[in-house]
Amino acid sequence: DAGITQSPRHKVTETGTPVTLRCHQTENHRYMYWYRQDPGHGLRLIHYSYGVKDTDKGEVSDGYSVSRSKTEDFLLTLESATSSQTSVYFCAISDYTEETQYFGPGTRLLVL
Amino acid sequence: EDQVTQSPEALRLQEGESSSLNCSYTVSGLRGLFWYRQDPGKGPEFLFTLYSAGEEKEKERLKATLTKKESFLHITAPKPEDSATYLCAVQAVGGGADGLTFGKGTHLIIQP
Repeated sequence: DAGITQSPRHKVTETGTPVTLRCHQTENHRYMYWYRQDPGHGLRLIHYSYGVKDTDKGEVSDGYSVSRSKTEDFLLTLESATSSQTSVYFCAISDYTEETQYFGPGTRLLVL
Repeated sequence: EDQVTQSPEALRLQEGESSSLNCSYTVSGLRGLFWYRQDPGKGPEFLFTLYSAGEEKEKERLKATLTKKESFLHITAPKPEDSATYLCAVQAVGGGADGLTFGKGTHLIIQP
């Protein structure tokens, strides 16, 4: 397995509270991605990073922000969680933009 | 807009019964097509990357092929441990570290 960890692995929170998910890699890959996976949908890109402090929006970025202060860490923040953000969140990494993306184990988030 | 359609949504086979999964795609320019396997509660696990029409790749009982409009994942003499959801994704040619566009997956069950 690629050296990717996500924390927490499971979280239950209430509507309106802020939530931060962490992705940590030990591969020194340049690119990092956040996806969400929901029943009836394929994996969808939320945000991605192409270097320290370099980030951009994906397909479903509304309500999410990201930060990358170190190569190894990519944080996803839900500023004010809503029930529609209940999902499984996956982090992925790749060394070059055209190369394979490797996925972490996921974080299951429930917003009540 | 890039689109990926996988069929069938679900497939049940007997052990040893070979079959194929389909991935049809629409993309402005294909940079790569990716196949992943996903087990329940886990992150997608990389299987293959295909870059150009006519390309084929094999791994154990799996063989992936690519045409200009679709990809097939052929499963030969499957075993129960091949049961999983198989995901297809494409990456389009373009600027920036764009993420992958995923299909909804094919849920494969191999019965002993």
